[in-house]
Amino acid sequence: NAGVTQTPKFRILKIGQSMTLQCTQDMNHNYMYWYRQDPGMGLKLIYYSVGAGITDKGEVPNGYNVSRSTTEDFPLRLELAAPSQTSVYFCASSPGQVGLYEQYFGPGTRLTVT
Amino acid sequence: AQTVTQSQPEMSVQEAETVTLSCTYDTSESDYYLFWYKQPPSRQMILVIRQEAYKQQNATENRFSVNFQKAAKSFSLKISDSQLGDAAMYFCAYRSRNRDDKIIFGKGTRLHILP
Repeated sequence: NAGVTQTPKFRILKIGQSMTLQCTQDMNHNYMYWYRQDPGMGLKLIYYSVGAGITDKGEVPNGYNVSRSTTEDFPLRLELAAPSQTSVYFCASSPGQVGLYEQYFGPGTRLTVT
Repeated sequence: AQTVTQSQPEMSVQEAETVTLSCTYDTSESDYYLFWYKQPPSRQMILVIRQEAYKQQNATENRFSVNFQKAAKSFSLKISDSQLGDAAMYFCAYRSRNRDDKIIFGKGTRLHILP
């Protein structure tokens, strides 16, 4: 199993550009998550999904969109990138509710918006 | 709203010694999970240990153990026989059992292991 994979690893965007961060898991997990980690801070939840076709907002959803058309994929879309979105983005998955089950993280995408 | 506080931004410990990382949290709920995650320089988050609030017994995973004080809302991580591979950022995290699947993370403690 590859686990949770994220692409790209690094990206530099200009203000106002758009991009999609890709996340794929091959563990058949129902739950998937997107977090951002700002320098010197813990992770903050952007969006999560409890199954294909179901998504919900986390703590910091503004400026982002997600979709979950398959169990495996959970892409994160940034529209009109802003410098405040400079961060490291982590995707994660879990077989079920975290706590009952372990959450597995991807390696992260470092995004810089200039 | 729930909060998680890690008051030690950085700590150092000699190899083979024991170190304790502190975490306090604030919640009005009685049923929840607490976690310690490790983030090595590779950045990939790894679950170290998990505690269920309704279990009085402190969780243990090999050299890692917790001191869970529910009344004091304290959840410290003890690392015994510290090894060079333990050097990382450690994050304390909280999740309510009764709510949506949202996890609250602390700001982290950077642990240095001195050879």
